[in-house]
Amino acid sequence: DTGVSQNPRHKITKRGQNVTFRCDPISEHNRLYWYRQTLGQGPEFLTYFQNEAQLEKSRLLSDRFSAERPKGSFSTLEIQRTEQGDSAMYLCASNTILGRGQPGELFFGEGSRLTVL
Amino acid sequence: AQTVTQSQPEMSVQEAETVTLSCTYDTSENNYYLFWYKQPPSRQMILVIRQEAYKQQNATENRFSVNFQKAAKSFSLKISDSQLGDTAMYFCAFMTSVGTALIFGKGTTLSVSS
Repeated sequence: DTGVSQNPRHKITKRGQNVTFRCDPISEHNRLYWYRQTLGQGPEFLTYFQNEAQLEKSRLLSDRFSAERPKGSFSTLEIQRTEQGDSAMYLCASNTILGRGQPGELFFGEGSRLTVL
Repeated sequence: AQTVTQSQPEMSVQEAETVTLSCTYDTSENNYYLFWYKQPPSRQMILVIRQEAYKQQNATENRFSVNFQKAAKSFSLKISDSQLGDTAMYFCAFMTSVGTALIFGKGTTLSVSS
């Protein structure tokens, strides 16, 4: 069990550029979540997938944001035309649904820190 | 909409002492799950303890225990015999029984000193 892996760990970009983050969840987990966390704040939910289906998107996920999980394994989060307000830590997490519909523990990656200059 | 409120931005405690972190939440659901997560400085978030709303007994994990008051929608975390390694940001979080997104509070920064 290698845990949830996120790449790159840190990305510095200029305003207006596009960036893409990748998340590799724990292999047997069918649910994958993306969160955004700014300094000193709690994580804010962006979107989640069950297998390859994107089941929920937050209103925080503007048109410039897109997430995919093409084969139900790894996921990518792309931000187009980045703005300074996009600077944050982007966290990925995964879990599975246990028997009787109980949610399993959510395991988090170390995050991808985005700095937009 | 579900909300989670942590009213203590920062707390300090001495080693070996006991500290309680507060959390309240708002929901119209009857079945849900509550969690406390720990985020050490520059490290990933890890689960501390979880509580199912249908269980009346408060959850306990070694030095960590919760006081779950369903009617009051309160879910506090008690850390006994605090250790330096407990220094971290602690987040209270909520999930409905459907198992959708985990909703977090703004967090409490806990500092444990010797």
